[in-house]
Amino acid sequence: AQSVTQLGSHVSVSEGALVLLRCNYSSSVPPYLFWYVQYPNQGLQLLLKYTSAATLVKGINGFEAEFKKSETSFHLTKPSAHMSDAAEYFCAVSESGANSKLTFGKGITLSVRP
Amino acid sequence: DAGITQSPRHKVTETGTPVTLRCHQTENHRYMYWYRQDPGHGLRLIHYSYGVKDTDKGEVSDGYSVSRSKTEDFLLTLESATSSQTSVYFCATLSGADTGELFFGEGSRLTVL
Repeated sequence: AQSVTQLGSHVSVSEGALVLLRCNYSSSVPPYLFWYVQYPNQGLQLLLKYTSAATLVKGINGFEAEFKKSETSFHLTKPSAHMSDAAEYFCAVSESGANSKLTFGKGITLSVRP
Repeated sequence: DAGITQSPRHKVTETGTPVTLRCHQTENHRYMYWYRQDPGHGLRLIHYSYGVKDTDKGEVSDGYSVSRSKTEDFLLTLESATSSQTSVYFCATLSGADTGELFFGEGSRLTVL
């Protein structure tokens, strides 16, 4: 069975600092991996996805993530945080094939200090 | 231009009353899902549908039922609401059939007193 671990529930960074949100996954087959972002009182929006092409994936708003099979990780980074990045971030995994279903991590809340 | 519309967006009800949440999509997607979001639990799958009249259970289906009589509509029903069902409910459609990528609605906040 697939699973996702997002350690910690809250990360706080200063504006302009590096953002690093960690995600580790477990999957019995080659996975597809996703990061979603949720702004207050909104639904989830796809930030980026890994679907077995390039291991370094670039997403919206300057975010990127690197798939590392040896570490079973898919950490999300952004070189310079902006106040507008404050949100909740979810990592999710699915297994390839028809009728694949996403399994979500518990989410991490990112705060950005002025 | 929203592809998914959820209604109602907010609802307060009392324990023991029935509640139905509606999800309407305009993208003609075959698969539709209902998730609930709770602090510390992330999103958990309640039920999903893989076509008209074809539904299946997710990991937290107890106390919930669903129906899908048309491609565009997916209903979630709480037959007798309990306080533990206070949550934010999200509908999603499968926008990436091979990868599992989902597109989400804006959510419905349900409070059961």
